[in-house]
Amino acid sequence: DAGVIQSPRHEVTEMGQEVTLRCKPISGHNSLFWYRQTMMRGLELLIYFNNNVPIDDSGMPEDRFSAKMPNASFSTLKIQPSEPRDSAVYFCASRTVPQETQYFGPGTRLLVL
Amino acid sequence: AQSVTQLGSHVSVSEGALVLLRCNYSSSVPPYLFWYVQYPNQGLQLLLKYTSAATLVKGINGFEAEFKKSETSFHLTKPSAHMSDAAEYFCAVSDRDSGGSNYKLTFGKGTLLTVNP
Repeated sequence: DAGVIQSPRHEVTEMGQEVTLRCKPISGHNSLFWYRQTMMRGLELLIYFNNNVPIDDSGMPEDRFSAKMPNASFSTLKIQPSEPRDSAVYFCASRTVPQETQYFGPGTRLLVL
Repeated sequence: AQSVTQLGSHVSVSEGALVLLRCNYSSSVPPYLFWYVQYPNQGLQLLLKYTSAATLVKGINGFEAEFKKSETSFHLTKPSAHMSDAAEYFCAVSDRDSGGSNYKLTFGKGTLLTVNP
């Protein structure tokens, strides 16, 4: 299995631009998670999907952030407009239900100038 | 809400020495507990997990952890450190939803392990 796939691996953009991060979960996994990792705040859960339906988006910081999961094999996290404080590593993870282990992708390193 | 405390943001050991990384959790129900490892510029990889079976859990790369309910602890150990163990280690506890299907992980701040030759 290829594992969780994220793209791009690195993104550099200017403040105000739209950023779209992509994730392909492991085939057969029913749940998908988006996390953000920064030095100051550590790992934060942004949003969680179960069977393509958003279950908990309480971690989404602002309306500038949105996430979708149009089908079981693809999810996006969009930031519009982006700000320098959004600079972080964004991870996607997936798991089967009710299996508890989450499998993480390699992350997208975002730098907003 | 559950929480996880990792004591020591940075632990340094000599190669061949015992590794001990501490994790304490708060939980009102029997928890599921995890240790993940993150190597530089990579995602998180599962080391081991506790799911209410044996209290001593063995994981990959020679690591193990012991669940102690009375101490609300889940410390990670390895008898002999290797240079390749240098990484950041995260302890996590799983929040159960109303349906009883554990779904959300709460992570500790992480402990950076340095192994000196």
